[in-house]
Amino acid sequence: SQQGEEDPQALSIQEGENATMNCSYKTSINNLQWYRQNSGRGLVHLILIRSNEREKHSGRLRVTLDTSKKSSSLLITASRAADTASYFCAPSPVTSYDKVIFGPGTSLSVIP
Amino acid sequence: SQTIHQWPATLVQPVGSPLSLECTVEGTSNPNLYWYRQAAGRGLQLLFYSVGIGQISSEVPQNLSASRPQDRQFILSSKKLLLSDSGFYLCAWSFTNERGWMGTGELFFGEGSRLTVL
Repeated sequence: SQQGEEDPQALSIQEGENATMNCSYKTSINNLQWYRQNSGRGLVHLILIRSNEREKHSGRLRVTLDTSKKSSSLLITASRAADTASYFCAPSPVTSYDKVIFGPGTSLSVIP
Repeated sequence: SQTIHQWPATLVQPVGSPLSLECTVEGTSNPNLYWYRQAAGRGLQLLFYSVGIGQISSEVPQNLSASRPQDRQFILSSKKLLLSDSGFYLCAWSFTNERGWMGTGELFFGEGSRLTVL
């Protein structure tokens, strides 16, 4: 199975500040995905980083990956109140039979 | 393009009553299908996943069951609901081809079904 574990579990910041969330995993990976969940909604894919990439940017998102430490981080710059959500990481399944198990997520609150 | 539909969106059921949640995927074939449950303020618990018609893997012993009667249809059921079955249920799918290649491995989620058992 492929499982990610996020840290911290809760994060509260002021609007305009940067938010950093961390992810650890245990198995070898091909890719790692970050997802976002607004309250009462399904998860939405944010960004993918491949195992041969160390950093990736998408708008205000910056993802890093350190395969030697089996860890990843998600940085949201210049946060907005609309960024308030829960964020999850998950290593991508390698085969059809790999289970995708999510950790507790990081609950981000951006205070206007 | 691919879409996933999940229903009903909300339901309130008495203890001991049956349950049926349905999920269908359009625009792809032979998807991997997943049922997750999320308790209030918590992470996602994988309940069932399926790699093909009639192939269901159960992750947590419980009074829930899942079925995949058609390639793109995934149903979560219970014969008698418990109070502890309350939660937010999410269906998801991922791409896989006939050789088991997963592509990027991204999961696509439905909008969820909120179940309250009273």
